[in-house]
Amino acid sequence: GQQVMQIPQYQHVQEGEDFTTYCNSSTTLSNIQWYKQRPGGHPVFLIQLVKSGEVKKQKRLTFQFGEAKKNSSLHITATQTTDVGTYFCGLSPRAGSYQLTFGKGTKLSVIP
Amino acid sequence: EAGVAQSPRYKIIEKRQSVAFWCNPISGHATLYWYQQILGQGPKLLIQFQNNGVVDDSQLPKDRFSAERLKGVDSTLKIQPAKLEDSAVYLCASSSTPDWGGPKSSYEQYFGPGTRLTVT
Repeated sequence: GQQVMQIPQYQHVQEGEDFTTYCNSSTTLSNIQWYKQRPGGHPVFLIQLVKSGEVKKQKRLTFQFGEAKKNSSLHITATQTTDVGTYFCGLSPRAGSYQLTFGKGTKLSVIP
Repeated sequence: EAGVAQSPRYKIIEKRQSVAFWCNPISGHATLYWYQQILGQGPKLLIQFQNNGVVDDSQLPKDRFSAERLKGVDSTLKIQPAKLEDSAVYLCASSSTPDWGGPKSSYEQYFGPGTRLTVT
C-alpha cells in the first residue's frame, strides 16, 4: 500500500526562524494536499499541488512538488507564533481519486 | 457557508459498550469521509461515501465498525463493541465534486471539529 514519510516529526524554532517539512511517497503521485491542524483543532486545507516541479506561495508559505511527483515540501519563512500546529501532507495516487493518505505530520512549536 | 457539523464532541464509554457518531457535511458535498485520528498520528481513512454509496471501506474494521449515509446527506458511524484501542478522535470530512480540468480542479476536504472518544 501507499507509504508516506513525513520529516521531521517535531520541530522547535525561535520566532523569526525558517521552517521546512518534507513529505515523501513510495509511489508516484497524482497530486498532494497540505493541511494544518492547530492544537485541539481539526485539519484545515492549505493547498493542492498537481504539476511536476510546481511551486506555489501563500504569503510566507512556499509549497513545492518534486519533479518526479514523489515528494513535496512546505517552507515557512520567518515563523510567527500563529504558525504553531501540525502540518500534514495528504497523498493522492490516482487522478480522479478523492482519497488521501495522510502522513504522521510535523508538529511545529514556535518559541516567542 | 456552514461547516461540517459533528456530534457529540466528546464521549467516554467503557470497553464493550457501543457508541454512535453523527456527521452533517457541507450542503451539496457529494463525498463524505470518516477518519480515525489517534494521538500523534495523521488522520486514517475509515470509509468514503459518494452520495449514499460506499466508495472505499477497506480500512474499516467491519467486525465492530459500521457506517451509513442513507439519504446521501448526513452520516453515522457506529462502534459496537468498543475496545480500548478505539480511543481516538473521529473526524468527518466532506468535499465537493471537482471540475476536473476546469478552474477549480481541487477536491479539498473540509473537516468537522471531530468527536473525541475515550474508551476505559
